Amino acid sequence: DVKVTQSSRYLVKRTGEKVFLECVQDMDHENMFWYRQDPGLGLRLIYFSYDVKMKEKGDIPEGYSVSREKKERFSLILESASTNQTSMYLCASISGEGNTQYFGPGTRLTVL
Amino acid sequence: GQSLEQPSEVTAVEGAIVQINCTYQTSGFYGLSWYQQHDGGAPTFLSYNGLDGLEETGRFSSFLSRSDSYGYLLLQELQMKDSASYFCAVFNNAGNMLTFGGGTRLMVKP
Repeated sequence: DVKVTQSSRYLVKRTGEKVFLECVQDMDHENMFWYRQDPGLGLRLIYFSYDVKMKEKGDIPEGYSVSREKKERFSLILESASTNQTSMYLCASISGEGNTQYFGPGTRLTVL
Repeated sequence: GQSLEQPSEVTAVEGAIVQINCTYQTSGFYGLSWYQQHDGGAPTFLSYNGLDGLEETGRFSSFLSRSDSYGYLLLQELQMKDSASYFCAVFNNAGNMLTFGGGTRLMVKP
């Protein structure tokens, strides 16, 4: 069974703090993704990576950066958290040949 | 870019059949997927259509018409546990990135 894990289920941070969200997958998938999910807006892609040290901007990259130093790990960084970044953050991975994207359990981030 | 349209809410009764439609406009298309998400949970994969036609998996079926840029998810013999949000998603040309629709919230009533 593919497993995608995220470092925290719930996180509370203050405005201006630097926030790290970690994601690890155990199936040697090439492609990894970070989404945020807000009521009524569905899943919006922030960044994705198709290989180690490679990254591509998604639809809403502003205010975020990412890091992929190892194939199994994809980190999302909020350099200076703001209240409008309060959201559910979902990590996902997919193999290069597959059609099934596997999601982690999500991190509900609240920025005060 | 890609955009997908699906109804925001659907209500049905236990034992009934419900169809959730999805239309898409894309600059490139590789396939259409469906995901289910229960409240508080992560999206989980339901089905994938790479070619036109119907794919059946138990009580769930998914259909694709590439010429109409249209697909649907059909849920039969509805159960209370099917109450969830359902997302259609389109693969880009490379087949490695999904764009999701806004989701359809299905409420199954007794």
